[in-house]
Amino acid sequence: QITLKESGPALVKPTQTLTLTCSFSGFSLTTSRVGVGWIRQPPGKALEWLALIYWDDDKRYTPSLKRRLSITKDTSKNQVVLTMTNMDPIDTGTYYCAHSVEALGSAFDYWGQGTGVTVSS
Amino acid sequence: SYALTQPSSVSVAPGQTARISCGGNNIGTKSVHWYRQRPGQAPVLIMYFGSVRPSGIPERFSGSNSGNTATLTITRVEGGDEADYYCQVWDAIYNHVFGPGTKVTVL
Repeated sequence: QITLKESGPALVKPTQTLTLTCSFSGFSLTTSRVGVGWIRQPPGKALEWLALIYWDDDKRYTPSLKRRLSITKDTSKNQVVLTMTNMDPIDTGTYYCAHSVEALGSAFDYWGQGTGVTVSS
Repeated sequence: SYALTQPSSVSVAPGQTARISCGGNNIGTKSVHWYRQRPGQAPVLIMYFGSVRPSGIPERFSGSNSGNTATLTITRVEGGDEADYYCQVWDAIYNHVFGPGTKVTVL
């Protein structure tokens, strides 16, 4: 059974760096064609894909935020970490991590419950 | 960048059919996926490769993808289908892109 869970600060100040951790079980990020992505959702708005890291350490970022994002994995801990620099109130929202597999066309087939982040001074 | 369009809302009576479109340039050549998100919950994958249902998703849900439009169809709509629906595209150039979402209201 695949499960994912996000963790991180609920409140960050503008200009600070956000660090979120996705802890997962039921699969390994050493398995070929597997990835873990991050998706966010501002309150009342649409989903926005942020980043994804693959089993082979290939990393992809959404172009508009690429300069602010970094995604890494720790396969021994079954964790993926997303950092976002220079946080702004517009970055407020729910942040999800999700499992992706190339066999399903890189769809996100398992999602965490999400973690809320508020950016405010 | 690659942009997707969806109607902001679709209203349908119980028992009727809802169709949600997802428009994008040559979307028919790309991998399209659909998610349902109920209020306060995480999204759930309900269709991948445009027309393949994951296990546990009822046969009432079907999908198609051709030309510049992908479509999610929900037949015999029930109250529990009321949710936001998002299309998502993956391709080697644009990576992952989500549509703006469609709110389905069951009258």
